[in-house]
Amino acid sequence: AQKVTQAQTEISVVEKEDVTLDCVYETRDTTYYLFWYKQPPSGELVFLIRRNSFDEQNEISGRYSWNFQKSTSSFNFTITASQVVDSAVYFCALSAFSGAGSYQLTFGKGTKLSVIP
Amino acid sequence: GAVVSQHPSWVICKSGTSVKIECRSLDFQATTMFWYRQFPKQSLMLMATSNEGSKATYEQGVEKDKFLINHASLTLSTLTVTSAHPEDSSFYICSASGGALYETQYFGPGTRLLVL
Repeated sequence: AQKVTQAQTEISVVEKEDVTLDCVYETRDTTYYLFWYKQPPSGELVFLIRRNSFDEQNEISGRYSWNFQKSTSSFNFTITASQVVDSAVYFCALSAFSGAGSYQLTFGKGTKLSVIP
Repeated sequence: GAVVSQHPSWVICKSGTSVKIECRSLDFQATTMFWYRQFPKQSLMLMATSNEGSKATYEQGVEKDKFLINHASLTLSTLTVTSAHPEDSSFYICSASGGALYETQYFGPGTRLLVL
């Protein structure tokens, strides 16, 4: 069984501060994918990034960066110079092939980020 | 690319009526579609997985006769909440994956259901 833990329930930062959202996962699969999704107040889940279990390269996309470390089973997400528009709930998720014949997502409980102007 | 639409975005209905929610992949063929339910301030709960042309696979505790899922084409899946009751009020979200995007799920905007 898969498990994703986002220990931070809510985080508040002042605009322009950097913030890191933690994600720790558990799986017995050797092939899996890790994701981050953003859910703004409108409710739609926005795909941010996918990493596969064989690629531990960190990734940077504008103000966003991700740190994947298999040794600690972590996939942390950092927002640099946060902005009010970053306020949302962020979900970390793990995907592995399931008995239903598809890749099923296991979500963490989410971290609500509030960026204060 | 990878756009998923969902209709309607909001629905209010009386107890006992049935409600149909549509999920469409607009620019890719979705061999697999998923239906989730989300309660306020909680994470997403997978209800069922459907592969095109096959019966849906429901998660434990989800009533098959209550939540009817049809995935008749590679771009459309529907969720029908039959004989809806107030406890069925929730935020329903679909996602789709397929083709070169098989390991990534792309989500629709969700449907807020309120049963009076």
